[in-house]
Amino acid sequence: DVKVTQSSRYLVKRTGEKVFLECVQDMDHENMFWYRQDPGLGLRLIYFSYDVKMKEKGDIPEGYSVSREKKERFSLILESASTNQTSMYLCASSLRGQGVETQYFGPGTRLLVL
Amino acid sequence: AQSVTQLGSHVSVSEGALVLLRCNYSSSVPPYLFWYVQYPNQGLQLLLKYTSAATLVKGINGFEAEFKKSETSFHLTKPSAHMSDAAEYFCAVSEDTGFQKLVFGTGTRLLVSP
Repeated sequence: DVKVTQSSRYLVKRTGEKVFLECVQDMDHENMFWYRQDPGLGLRLIYFSYDVKMKEKGDIPEGYSVSREKKERFSLILESASTNQTSMYLCASSLRGQGVETQYFGPGTRLLVL
Repeated sequence: AQSVTQLGSHVSVSEGALVLLRCNYSSSVPPYLFWYVQYPNQGLQLLLKYTSAATLVKGINGFEAEFKKSETSFHLTKPSAHMSDAAEYFCAVSEDTGFQKLVFGTGTRLLVSP
């Protein structure tokens, strides 16, 4: 069974803290993604990675960075957390196939920045 | 640029009634289209996807969607709603078979009453 896990389900941080969100997949997928989900806005792509050490900006990368040192792990970093980064963060992964591949999602991390 | 519009942030139906969730897309090339479902406190799960093989796509849990190019639509239907169908549903579009990037709609919450 495919599995994408995220390090925390709930997280509370203070403004200005550095925050790490970890995502691990066990499917040997090349592509990994970070989204944030906000009511009324759907899911918006923050960053994605198509290979180890490779990263591309998504639609809303400001205030975030990412790291992919191993194929199975993709980390999202908030360098200095702000209250407007309070949100649900979802990680996903997919194969980089010839056709259209399914993205598999983790359960999400609900982050509250005070 | 590709985009997705989901009409209706909330849809209410009675148990046993027809479910119809609307999705219209904008794409400069033939699109790939997806419907995902999110149950409370969970990540997203693929319901079905359109990859140009057939215009009527059948998914899990009795859902199906029909691709209509002339209407740029990909509406999701189910003949008879069940209480367990209560969830948030997201339509997504992709033009990209390389990086597999998705653009999501804002979501529709389906409420099912007894």
